Amino acid sequence: GQNIDQPTEMTATEGAIVQINCTYQTSGFNGLFWYQQHAGEAPTFLSYNVLDGLEEKGRFSSFLSRSKGYSYLLLKELQMKDSASYLCAVKDRGSTLGRLYFGRGTQLTVWP
Amino acid sequence: GAGVSQSPSNKVTEKGKDVELRCDPISGHTALYWYRQSLGQGLEFLIYFQGNSAPDKSGLPSDRFSAERTGGSVSTLTIQRTQQEDSAVYLCASSSLGTSGNSYNEQFFGPGTRLTVL
Repeated sequence: GQNIDQPTEMTATEGAIVQINCTYQTSGFNGLFWYQQHAGEAPTFLSYNVLDGLEEKGRFSSFLSRSKGYSYLLLKELQMKDSASYLCAVKDRGSTLGRLYFGRGTQLTVWP
Repeated sequence: GAGVSQSPSNKVTEKGKDVELRCDPISGHTALYWYRQSLGQGLEFLIYFQGNSAPDKSGLPSDRFSAERTGGSVSTLTIQRTQQEDSAVYLCASSSLGTSGNSYNEQFFGPGTRLTVL
C-alpha cells in the first residue's frame, strides 16, 4: 500500500514563510501533487513534481526528493487567505491511470 | 467553461435509506473519479471511470456502494441502506487524458456532497 504522512496542523503569521512536509512510501512512485482546500470547498491544484528538485510558482514552491520519499510545499509572504488545508497526494505507477493516494492534510492557520 | 458540479450539496438521510449523488464533470473530460472525505481523514479513493466503464472499483467500501456513468459524462454514486459510518463528504473529480498536453492529468474537483446519515 501507500503511506502518506504530513503534519496535522501548522500555524504562522502574515508575511512569514512556512514549509509543509510530506513523506511517502509507495511501491512505484509516479508523481506527487499538492492541493489546497479551503473549508467547505473543493481541493484546487497547486503543484506537481515527478523529478527531483524545486518547482517554483509565484509565492508557492514545491520540492521533491524521490530517494528520500520526501516533498515539501513552501509558502512565502503568507496572507490570511492562505489559511486552508494542504493535501499531499501521490500517484503510483502500478495504479489505475490518475488514481491518487492522499495524506490526511495539513491545516494551516495564518494569524495577522 | 464550467467546472465540476455536484448535487445535492448537502444530503441528510435516515439510516437504512438509499441515496444518490450526482456528478457533472468538465465537458470533454474522459476520466472521472469519486473520493470520500471523512472528518479528520484524507481523501479516500472510491472508483474511477474511463468513459462509461469503471476499470477500478477497488475503493468501494462494500456492495452497498455502486456507481455508473452514462454518455461519458454524468456519473451517479448510489449508496443503498445507508449506515452512520457512510457520513462524509463525497467528492468527484475529472481529468482529461493528454488532450491538452497535460501529461500529469491534473484532477479538477467538484465542491462535494456532504452526506449525513442519522
